[in-house]
Amino acid sequence: SQQGEEDPQALSIQEGENATMNCSYKTSINNLQWYRQNSGRGLVHLILIRSNEREKHSGRLRVTLDTSKKSSSLLITASRAADTASYFCATDAWRDDKIIFGKGTRLHILP
Amino acid sequence: EAQVTQNPRYLITVTGKKLTVTCSQNMNHEYMSWYRQDPGLGLRQIYYSMNVEVTDKGDVPEGYKVSRKEKRNFPLILESPSPNQTSLYFCASSLPGRYEQYFGPGTRLTVT
Repeated sequence: SQQGEEDPQALSIQEGENATMNCSYKTSINNLQWYRQNSGRGLVHLILIRSNEREKHSGRLRVTLDTSKKSSSLLITASRAADTASYFCATDAWRDDKIIFGKGTRLHILP
Repeated sequence: EAQVTQNPRYLITVTGKKLTVTCSQNMNHEYMSWYRQDPGLGLRQIYYSMNVEVTDKGDVPEGYKVSRKEKRNFPLILESPSPNQTSLYFCASSLPGRYEQYFGPGTRLTVT
């Protein structure tokens, strides 16, 4: 399985600080995505980065991908209370239409 | 409004009683998928479908069936539910080649 593994499992930071979470995976990928899930609700797509990309930005989000280390990081800058959620990475591989999710990082923004 | 709908949202049933969870999307997406989410295990893909009449197993297909007779619908069938299928289930859809999935609100299933 090429399951992604997020690190840390849980993270608490003060509002306004930056939050960084990491994802590692096992085999070569085609795309890597990050999703957010608010308590028990459906996941919401945040950003997709392709295997030939190294960095991508979307608003306060910055994603990096290091295929040599088989890892990705998600940086949320200037965190807000509304960023409190679980964050998941998901990968897919060439010639394989399965999508593999990691176990997630629970982010808690303290007021 | 573009959305993925699931029904029912909550279901309590007994072991062995066949059930179907429906999933429908209004975005004309080809790719549809079912996941289950369990504490500590994240989301695991059960089945996916690349298009009508094309389905394939994900990582945890045992005990589940799916069908894709129409593009918009992708029902999940549990022929003989067991307590280990108690979980939170999500349906998702996307365009082919763009795996940015749109998720339904989830179905919380309890099998006693």
